[in-house]
Amino acid sequence: GAGVSQTPSNKVTEKGKYVELRCDPISGHTALYWYRQSLGQGPEFLIYFQGTGAADDSGLPNDRFFAVRPEGSVSTLKIQRTERGDSAVYLCASSPVTGVTGELFFGEGSRLTVL
Amino acid sequence: KQEVTQIPAALSVPEGENLVLNCSFTDSAIYNLQWFRQDPGKGLTSLLLIQSSQREQTSGRLNASLDKSSGRSTLYIAASQPGDSATYLCAVGLRRTGANNLFFGTGTRLTVIP
Repeated sequence: GAGVSQTPSNKVTEKGKYVELRCDPISGHTALYWYRQSLGQGPEFLIYFQGTGAADDSGLPNDRFFAVRPEGSVSTLKIQRTERGDSAVYLCASSPVTGVTGELFFGEGSRLTVL
Repeated sequence: KQEVTQIPAALSVPEGENLVLNCSFTDSAIYNLQWFRQDPGKGLTSLLLIQSSQREQTSGRLNASLDKSSGRSTLYIAASQPGDSATYLCAVGLRRTGANNLFFGTGTRLTVIP
């Protein structure tokens, strides 16, 4: 597609459940980012992929959060044993260049609600 | 840790007015600064990207300036229109080893009244 695609757009789950959020970046973009945005706040960095490897996962809040990008394109953010505090919009972005040197292109996000 | 502050948090102006949004950051060793627009329930759209060696960037009615030494950036919107109503976010990339992400402000919510 022309832009970054994220699915699902909305996900409601119960506390303790497992959740997967998917990101399909712009074709050819090697850099991929996950951010989390809580209500009324700016996005906060979670993890950065350069190709297939997680080059920087320093923003992941704890070991319940994990992300993969096995073929260097689509990425999945996985959240185990969800908690109500995990409720937020999870944004994915991609870039044709490494690090923060280039422009980031964001998807519309996946809104997660944990009941 | 880099702190990014945006003032005001919300702004309401009549159509046609020129306006300025402010962004300040605590760590001046930045690689670049980006301004984004976010519509309700939507993702972020990049408006302007200013590299650390630049002082300003322009796109249509938008002009963004950067003063690294004072830790400030402004986004100037000329002849505002109702379609400009959105939240505007600034984000900085740090110039240091391992800087692979952007630090965002909390945004300014702009309403342009017809």
